[in-house]
Amino acid sequence: DTAVSQTPKYLVTQMGNDKSIKCEQNLGHDTMYWYKQDSKKFLKIMFSYNNKELIINETVPNRFSPKSPDKAHLNLHINSLELGDSAVYFCASSQDLAGGIDEQFFGPGTRLTVL
Amino acid sequence: SQQGEEDPQALSIQEGENATMNCSYKTSINNLQWYRQNSGRGLVHLILIRSNEREKHSGRLRVTLDTSKKSSSLLITASRAADTASYFCATDHKVGKLIFGQGTTLQVKP
Repeated sequence: DTAVSQTPKYLVTQMGNDKSIKCEQNLGHDTMYWYKQDSKKFLKIMFSYNNKELIINETVPNRFSPKSPDKAHLNLHINSLELGDSAVYFCASSQDLAGGIDEQFFGPGTRLTVL
Repeated sequence: SQQGEEDPQALSIQEGENATMNCSYKTSINNLQWYRQNSGRGLVHLILIRSNEREKHSGRLRVTLDTSKKSSSLLITASRAADTASYFCATDHKVGKLIFGQGTTLQVKP
C-alpha cells in the first residue's frame, strides 16, 4: 500500500483556471505538509497542518488554499493559476511535531504545468 | 535566508568509489536530516542526526555534524549505480518547518 499518495500525478491547465491536488496518507500521522519544488529542484515548504489545524503558512499567495477534512487528508486548491505556479508539488507527512521534526514521508509529487 | 547550501551541486563518480556531499546552514538547529530523490520521484528519508550528535552511520551512509561550523557531510561508501539521485539536507529551525538545501546531484557510472 502506498504510504502517501497524491492525485493527479500530472496536471496541465490554462492560466486563470482553478485546480485541486489531493493527498492522502495511511500512516496514521498527525502532521501533513505541502511543498513546492521548482525547476532548479529548490524545495520549499508551503503549508503544514497538525491534526487538521494550520501550523505553517509560508507567505503563500492566498490563491492557494489548503484544506484538511481529516488528519489523513490534505488537499490543495489553487485559484487563478499563473505561469509561475508551474512546479512539482509534494505532499508529505510525519508523526507529530513534538520535540522537533520527525522524518517526513513524501508522496510521488504532482507536476503542474500552467500554459 | 535560512536555506542550506550544498556542495558540490553536481558530482560524478565511478561505481565503487566513495561520494561525499556537504551541507552548510545559517542558524542553530535541533536536527539535520538527509533525503534522497530519484528522478521524477518523491523524497525518501535517509538519516537524521540530532544537534548533540557528531556522527551517525546507516549501512553505507555516514553522516557527520559540526554545529560549531554549521555544517554536515554525507558520505556514501562503495557507491552503486542505484545511488544515482539528488541528495538534500534539511534542517529544522522551528517547529513544523524543515528548510531544504538546494541539493547535490550524484551520478554513479557503472
